[in-house]
Amino acid sequence: QSALTQPASVSGSPGQSITLSCTGIGSDIGDHNYVSWYQQLPGEAPKLLIYDVTKRPSGVSDRFSGSKSASTASLTIAGLQAEDEADYFCSSYRNPKSVLFGGGTRLTV
Amino acid sequence: EGRLVQSGAEVKKPGESLKISCQGSGYRFNTQYIGWVRQMPGKGLEWMGTIYPDDSETTYSPSFQGQVTISVDTSISTAYLQWSSLKAPDTAMYYCASRYSRYDPFDSWGQGTLVTVSS
Repeated sequence: QSALTQPASVSGSPGQSITLSCTGIGSDIGDHNYVSWYQQLPGEAPKLLIYDVTKRPSGVSDRFSGSKSASTASLTIAGLQAEDEADYFCSSYRNPKSVLFGGGTRLTV
Repeated sequence: EGRLVQSGAEVKKPGESLKISCQGSGYRFNTQYIGWVRQMPGKGLEWMGTIYPDDSETTYSPSFQGQVTISVDTSISTAYLQWSSLKAPDTAMYYCASRYSRYDPFDSWGQGTLVTVSS
């Protein structure tokens, strides 16, 4: 199973907005809205940031937002803060019953 | 919110067997899917497979089918990931995570179990 494609690294300055991309194919991201994003801080387990393309779990800052166009999902982080420095992984459901992860993007602030 | 607690770090030799665990609490364990995710050193997340505790229905990633076994003991709200013969490339952090349905995200994660396979 091919992973979803994410850029290996991105960087930004404090206060800036940045967008991370996640590209799949028609049978995963392009086929439905079951796309999620996870943040992994150094030495910690992943944490759910965004699900169903645009929804935020309770407690997640509204600086994080998600979107999708065709087979590419995006995570936008507004007002970058030093604490946002982490690895970010996208994930998608793929029929039947499978889960795909992206290779991850390391964000440097 | 539910909590998942995993068993401790393991150091094994190639060829040895291993079973690691993931115990759920604070929610109805039987009715949420438990998935296992591998993270090799410095690498990304890889979905290995998912089990539905209520009926033990298990789905494996093609990359891990036949390489590992996922099981569950509902009497103690615990899911397991096991190997019959470890290899050095199995060295990784392994996470369990739960979700409400096969379409939902993994919203609760265990702390991870580090497995080191070395001669």
